[in-house]
Amino acid sequence: QQQVKQSPQSLIVQKGGISIINCAYENTAFDYFPWYQQFPGKGPALLIAIRPDVSEKKEGRFTISFNKSAKQFSLHIMDSQPGDSATYFCAARSGTASKLTFGTGTRLQVTL
Amino acid sequence: EAGVVQSPRYKIIEKKQPVAFWCNPISGHNTLYWYLQNLGQGPELLIRYENEEAVDDSQLPKDRFSAERLKGVDSTLKIQPAELGDSAVYLCASSSGTGGASTEAFFGQGTRLTVV
Repeated sequence: QQQVKQSPQSLIVQKGGISIINCAYENTAFDYFPWYQQFPGKGPALLIAIRPDVSEKKEGRFTISFNKSAKQFSLHIMDSQPGDSATYFCAARSGTASKLTFGTGTRLQVTL
Repeated sequence: EAGVVQSPRYKIIEKKQPVAFWCNPISGHNTLYWYLQNLGQGPELLIRYENEEAVDDSQLPKDRFSAERLKGVDSTLKIQPAELGDSAVYLCASSSGTGGASTEAFFGQGTRLTVV
């Protein structure tokens, strides 16, 4: 059972553009929503995370938008750079379970 | 500070052979996770430890997979016998705190297993 659905599967953005990746979840017990960035041959690394008591969180060029009623959240990468080219995973966790449930990933390519 | 260390980085074995992976978590992290990542997919939890106790092993195929974390620090994951479908990346992660108090999970670089 896929509890976190992620789209698109792949994304090509020009340098300086905005990259947008969307996720939707089903389990209303989820209370922590991180985004991970993974480069080839590396493990996932936490990029930014949000809890459902806020609708937006910004860290540098990265912003999470969260819509609790729609059970959706998205990652926006402003001024995308070639160094941002990686696979991005959304995830969700319920406080009691502690385990992360990941989306299927979005492969981002930022072109010059 | 050293991150999560996994070894080996790569392993190629013939089907039906045993294989073991090792993980050393970040010092002081009492929660340890083993995740399976198939090509083009997100990681999926195999087992989660809080200290020495396996608190969630519901997704671990117990007929061929086993794990241990004897002293509550490093951990090993074993497959015996390996099958072709076990080819994947095995990720170890750790976090401090337990249950709902767990903090950010830090991942190792993973072990890429190829079963031929």
